[in-house]
Amino acid sequence: TQLLEQSPQFLSIQEGENLTVYCNSSSVFSSLQWYRQEPGEGPVLLVTVVTGGEVKKLKRLTFQFGDARKDSSLHITAAQPGDTGLYLCAGAPGGGSNYKLTFGKGTLLTVNP
Amino acid sequence: DAGVIQSPRHEVTEMGQEVTLRCKPISGHNSLFWYRQTMMRGLELLIYFNNNVPIDDSGMPEDRFSAKMPNASFSTLKIQPSEPRDSAVYFCASSKMTGNQPQHFGDGTRLSIL
Repeated sequence: TQLLEQSPQFLSIQEGENLTVYCNSSSVFSSLQWYRQEPGEGPVLLVTVVTGGEVKKLKRLTFQFGDARKDSSLHITAAQPGDTGLYLCAGAPGGGSNYKLTFGKGTLLTVNP
Repeated sequence: DAGVIQSPRHEVTEMGQEVTLRCKPISGHNSLFWYRQTMMRGLELLIYFNNNVPIDDSGMPEDRFSAKMPNASFSTLKIQPSEPRDSAVYFCASSKMTGNQPQHFGDGTRLSIL
């Protein structure tokens, strides 16, 4: 069974601060997705990373896939209250089972104004 | 464009009752997923359909759970009889089944079994 561990579990920061959240596994994934979930809503895809070492930027968010495709990080620069939410990473095993995403339990981020 | 539509948004019922959750996927998507989310276990895949056919139901916890997809625009997840430990948020998601296509989630059904 592939497991994804996310850290920290909870993070509360002030507006304008930078932060990094992590997603780690002992398993190799063919790709890794990051989602953000707001209260009362479903997760919304932010990005998919596919290649080991890949870095993708989405405005103030920077996503990196580890060289060995076992881990990933999300860095937010100058966090804003609108960034508040549950950040989930999800790994795809590859091959014919690529639909079977393994989700981490998430990092609950609160950005205080 | 309409996203994935789930109903009801909230359901409160007594244990032993039958519960039916409904999902309308995004038009043109041929893959549909049912997930359950709890604090303890996070998001877990229950069942996956491709072209209305159940492909992987290994995540369905017990025989009390069943899912159907009678056509490309409708799916149900049924729990009979329901138990308090089934309380969770149930999500439906759909995607195009090509490559690393993203899964689009509905807003979920918050189920409470008393």
